[in-house]
Amino acid sequence: KAGVTQTPRYLIKTRGQQVTLSCSPISGHRSVSWYQQTPGQGLQFLFEYFSETQRNKGNFPGRFSGRQFSNSRSEMNVSTLELGDSALYLCASSLANPGTAGNTIYFGEGSWLTVV
Amino acid sequence: AQRVTQPEKLLSVFKGAPVELKCNYSYSGSPELFWYVQYSRQRLQLLLRHISRESIKGFTADLNKGETSFHLKKPFAQEEDSAMYYCATYNQGGKLIFGQGTELSVKP
Repeated sequence: KAGVTQTPRYLIKTRGQQVTLSCSPISGHRSVSWYQQTPGQGLQFLFEYFSETQRNKGNFPGRFSGRQFSNSRSEMNVSTLELGDSALYLCASSLANPGTAGNTIYFGEGSWLTVV
Repeated sequence: AQRVTQPEKLLSVFKGAPVELKCNYSYSGSPELFWYVQYSRQRLQLLLRHISRESIKGFTADLNKGETSFHLKKPFAQEEDSAMYYCATYNQGGKLIFGQGTELSVKP
């Protein structure tokens, strides 16, 4: 079956703009989580959704937001972009809530965001 | 707070040599630990998890609660093992938290 799909794969934005990234989880998966990956900070948790509800949130400013739809697809939005938001944004999906024993998280290829 | 530490940013070995990627964790309860791997231009993928006690691509990892470690080992490294390796665990809030990653470079 198809893996986690993220769109767009690459994008360039200017400071002050906003961006929306999309994630389609593996069919049947109800949990979607988002991570930011940068060379300096590594992989940092952004937020996690399960059945359209945000279950967990990382330590990011309010400019970062997300949502999950009834079909489990998810979007994340970053408003008022800053240069430091340039990163690879990874989406991951799993059957159960992360933290459930035995649950496996599968990652997408990511969306490369460059802010200029 | 739970934390995962990978002390080495880069580990370089020759083909056929043993390799050990270090991971230490801090956790007050019973942790569930993972190793993820990211090959060049590929997605992050699960390599192994401690509860499975499996060997994947020749890699093994044993949870040592006394030393709070979950080091990844392979007796004979191959060039195709070159990749970024991340140790990860769930924190008490259910977030999957990662170490900073170790880049493994296997030279011919």
